[in-house]
Amino acid sequence: DAGITQSPRHKVTETGTPVTLRCHQTENHRYMYWYRQDPGHGLRLIHYSYGVKDTDKGEVSDGYSVSRSKTEDFLLTLESATSSQTSVYFCAIQRGDTEAFFGQGTRLTVV
Amino acid sequence: EDQVTQSPEALRLQEGESSSLNCSYTVSGLRGLFWYRQDPGKGPEFLFTLYSAGEEKEKERLKATLTKKESFLHITAPKPEDSATYLCAVQAGGSQGNLIFGKGTKLSVKP
Repeated sequence: DAGITQSPRHKVTETGTPVTLRCHQTENHRYMYWYRQDPGHGLRLIHYSYGVKDTDKGEVSDGYSVSRSKTEDFLLTLESATSSQTSVYFCAIQRGDTEAFFGQGTRLTVV
Repeated sequence: EDQVTQSPEALRLQEGESSSLNCSYTVSGLRGLFWYRQDPGKGPEFLFTLYSAGEEKEKERLKATLTKKESFLHITAPKPEDSATYLCAVQAGGSQGNLIFGKGTKLSVKP
């Protein structure tokens, strides 16, 4: 979706290193989300934000932190990456009352 | 516990062979049911939102319907370009946009 940009698109990192993924929106939406997608599990919510500096945990938040200092940017940080965090990460924004629109994803490999 | 189950996991059709995908759900107060299409290496692409039992929505060869326990995505006379993974998700009443996803149905349409 043209209104959401994720960076980087691909990353390989070593176990124990910190990693930050960025989600940038150009549409000024209040709600932003981070999901992970794994084979056999579908998409699962990690954290979400309902405004600047307002965030909350999702289903699989352990090992992750987030920050939102500006409306347009939502950052996901893995403080100390583990192999279980190898996944594809998707950012989403909420347009309207309920509809979520997703970015193109970041493929993260932890070796 | 809110839950979404999609069936079948995979479906192979010949071009022009109509069929349906199923999404059964249990949720504490349905706020919305969503269908997405996902192509390999890309983020989910929004298709439909359904809000109440009896509601139907159409887009080209796709038609989504909703009952109190399940939703169907009907594909009429599919073409090879309809090949993708179709995801179903629900949002519970009172949740702040958190979507509960099924694991998806992988559709292959052969010419």
